[in-house]
Amino acid sequence: AQSVTQPDIHITVSEGASLELRCNYSYGATPYLFWYVQSPGQGLQLLLKYFSGDTLVQGIKGFEAEFKRSQSSFNLRKPSVHWSDAAEYFCAGPSGGSNYKLTFGKGTLLTVNP
Amino acid sequence: DAMVIQNPRYQVTQFGKPVTLSCSQTLNHNVMYWYQQKSSQAPKLLFHYYDKDFNNEADTPDNFQSRRPNTSFCFLDIRSPGLGDAAMYLCATRDRGYEQYFGPGTRLTVT
Repeated sequence: AQSVTQPDIHITVSEGASLELRCNYSYGATPYLFWYVQSPGQGLQLLLKYFSGDTLVQGIKGFEAEFKRSQSSFNLRKPSVHWSDAAEYFCAGPSGGSNYKLTFGKGTLLTVNP
Repeated sequence: DAMVIQNPRYQVTQFGKPVTLSCSQTLNHNVMYWYQQKSSQAPKLLFHYYDKDFNNEADTPDNFQSRRPNTSFCFLDIRSPGLGDAAMYLCATRDRGYEQYFGPGTRLTVT
């Protein structure tokens, strides 16, 4: 089935450390993929998106993600985490062959220690 | 700023008492979505509109209905809320691109 998977439920990093959140996808063709962030009690905010072309995608708030076809991955990275990055992060891709629906990973909760 | 607005942000209703959540958008997008999100879970799509065409997910309970009177507004009606319907309800929109734009959500409490 077409899907995205986030293997890490919860990650803790120290402020200033680097971050990598994992996302694996299962699609026959090259999918479009997204990373969203959700702060407590808020809606989802789009961090970045990949459609085609350059496999390294830059997003907002200093985040980037790299699409790796050989590993079926679309991992999110940030070189130096800030306390304000503590949130839930969702990877998303197309759902059920529809161009109008998204399927979300289960999310990764990021905790940032001072 | 163009945006997706949800009202109210917090809604408390009684068990079995109908409740309506609203969503409006200034983006003029032709697709609107309603999601249900329970604590520590991913958003779950309930239904979406492509213009006036309504698309229900197969596992969305009949208790949930929706209306879209015009491009800007979309409503979620819960006819007889149960305790299990307590959740965050997210509205989102989409235009010709693939990304969806989310509102801040309405937190529904059922007492």
